[in-house]
Amino acid sequence: NAGVTQTPKFRILKIGQSMTLQCTQDMNHNYMYWYRQDPGMGLKLIYYSVGAGITDKGEVPNGYNVSRSTTEDFPLRLELAAPSQTSVYFCASSYFIRSESGGASETQYFGPGTRLLVL
Amino acid sequence: KQEVTQIPAALSVPEGENLVLNCSFTDSAIYNLQWFRQDPGKGLTSLLLIQSSQREQTSGRLNASLDKSSGRSTLYIAASQPGDSATYLCAAGPGGAQKLVFGQGTRLTINP
Repeated sequence: NAGVTQTPKFRILKIGQSMTLQCTQDMNHNYMYWYRQDPGMGLKLIYYSVGAGITDKGEVPNGYNVSRSTTEDFPLRLELAAPSQTSVYFCASSYFIRSESGGASETQYFGPGTRLLVL
Repeated sequence: KQEVTQIPAALSVPEGENLVLNCSFTDSAIYNLQWFRQDPGKGLTSLLLIQSSQREQTSGRLNASLDKSSGRSTLYIAASQPGDSATYLCAAGPGGAQKLVFGQGTRLTINP
């Protein structure tokens, strides 16, 4: 298994440009996530998906869009890049099992990250 | 709103020492707590996951504890090695879709 893969590894954008960060997992996980990590900080959740066709906002969704047409892929779209979006972006996935008590989830697996610089 | 804090932000110790990393969270209604390791320029690697019904988890030289009532978790590293140098992050899982809330991390340096 390749696990969680992300492309590109690094990208420089000009203000106002658009791009899509790609994320693919081959573990048949139902849950997928996008986080951003600013220097010296922890990760903040941008969007997440509980299955194909279902997405929802996280803590910092403004300026981003996502889609989940397949179980494997969860692309993150930046429509109008701004300097505030300079960050490292991580995609993650996990398998969530819903039980009578509310659910049990396995750990999240992370991709290697995409470093984005907006100038 | 859940907030997760890790203190100290950086820690440097000589090789062979046992050490403890601290993590505190404001909302005790968590579903689980996870500890991750992050090497420079890399993604996160899961170390330990503690379910809310558990008090601790162990993996090799690592032991993580969870005290929901006090809003604290600790990661204990025994007999530290230079290869343990990395940033360690804790994250509280509120249940449901596992929308993890991360601390800012502790950057650990083990000196030979």
